[in-house]
Amino acid sequence: DAGVTQSPTHLIKTRGQHVTLRCSPISGHKSVSWYQQVLGQGPQFIFQYYEKEERGRGNFPDRFSARQFPNYSSELNVNALLLGDSALYLCASSLGTSSGANVLTFGAGSRLTVL
Amino acid sequence: GENVEQHPSTLSVQEGDSAVIKCTYSDSASNYFPWYKQELGKRPQLIIDIRSNVGEKKDQRIAVTLNKTAKHFSLHITETQPEDSAVYFCAASGGFKTIFGAGTRPFVKA
Repeated sequence: DAGVTQSPTHLIKTRGQHVTLRCSPISGHKSVSWYQQVLGQGPQFIFQYYEKEERGRGNFPDRFSARQFPNYSSELNVNALLLGDSALYLCASSLGTSSGANVLTFGAGSRLTVL
Repeated sequence: GENVEQHPSTLSVQEGDSAVIKCTYSDSASNYFPWYKQELGKRPQLIIDIRSNVGEKKDQRIAVTLNKTAKHFSLHITETQPEDSAVYFCAASGGFKTIFGAGTRPFVKA
């Protein structure tokens, strides 16, 4: 069984461009979370989706958006890229129960460099 | 908003000694507290977790303790080894949101 898969693994963009990152969760997992990890810092929560609905949003500007598809895969979109958006973007999947035991399994990440 | 503070940011440990990492959280609704280990260039991996109805949990050389009243939890690593050198993140989860601390990097000295 495949783990959490993310694409692309690396990409380079210029300021002002937009980017779409993709994530496929573990089979049977219905929830996907997105995190931004800047070098030397902890993962910062961006979004969580469960059953195609946004269930949580972190403190990120409206340039960041996401969606979840019927097969539970997800896309993260970032518009009008800034230099400060350069980071490792991690996707994590979980069963998505609301009990609080939201055990996250991470993908390998998409490393975005904005020039 | 929700916040998780983690201390220390770096930690120098003699091989074979113990290491302790401490975290505090702000959201009273948090009821699940995982710890992740991230090696250089790799994804975070869950190493141990604890739920709010438990005060302590142990798995071989690592243990976690939780004090819900004080809103703090700790990771204890005994008999540290060179392969323990990585970044450790604590996290607090309530419902659908998991918030991470800033990380601790222990340096294990031979």
